[in-house]
Amino acid sequence: DTTVKQNPRYKLARVGKPVNLICSQTMNHDTMYWYQKKPNQAPKLLLFYYDKILNREADTFEKFQSSRPNNSFCSLYIGSAGLEYSAMYLCASSRRGSGNTLYFGEGSRLIVV
Amino acid sequence: QQKVQQSPESLIVPEGAMTSLNCTFSDSASQYFAWYRQHSGKAPKALMSIFSNGEKEEGRFTIHLNKASLHFSLHIRDSQPSDSALYLCAVASSGSWQLIFGSGTQLTVMP
Repeated sequence: DTTVKQNPRYKLARVGKPVNLICSQTMNHDTMYWYQKKPNQAPKLLLFYYDKILNREADTFEKFQSSRPNNSFCSLYIGSAGLEYSAMYLCASSRRGSGNTLYFGEGSRLIVV
Repeated sequence: QQKVQQSPESLIVPEGAMTSLNCTFSDSASQYFAWYRQHSGKAPKALMSIFSNGEKEEGRFTIHLNKASLHFSLHIRDSQPSDSALYLCAVASSGSWQLIFGSGTQLTVMP
């Protein structure tokens, strides 16, 4: 039973094409995150929204964009996919002051060919 | 930059065994330490967390933290096949409170 939903669950994209991944949560959490996970590697934080404020990690600043039109919804946008973007993308949410517990979705698996 | 490392990478134990998973971190100012569990094809789910040195027990699971040695661990008593999963440790520093994860330990509990 998960209250963080991600779409699509699987995405096949061509090199150079855009990719848009979507996440929604129903817990009224103020913070939403995007992590990238590759096999045998740690989940890597790409960016997060606290309310409407976007924070992007320095080393992924140019590669990923995001929007959060309302509290429940957050997207991750790749303007031009490269082979290195193939990974599992995990969305998570949390409520500030709740002990940092993250609630994850099941992920969107992106394969770039 | 915080570095979080886990050992071992994978572990196979028999049903009923005590399982110990390890996590080291590099930032001595870290304030929050957590374990997440991810069953195959499912979302990672928070298991346990701790703020201060010492131990915390919840059912068959115990988390132990030693900040001075930059180490914390998860112990699973009476391991069950349903415990088979990827275990991720995570650490947050007081400055950012963002969780930095390790690469995981793949646990298999054999019936």
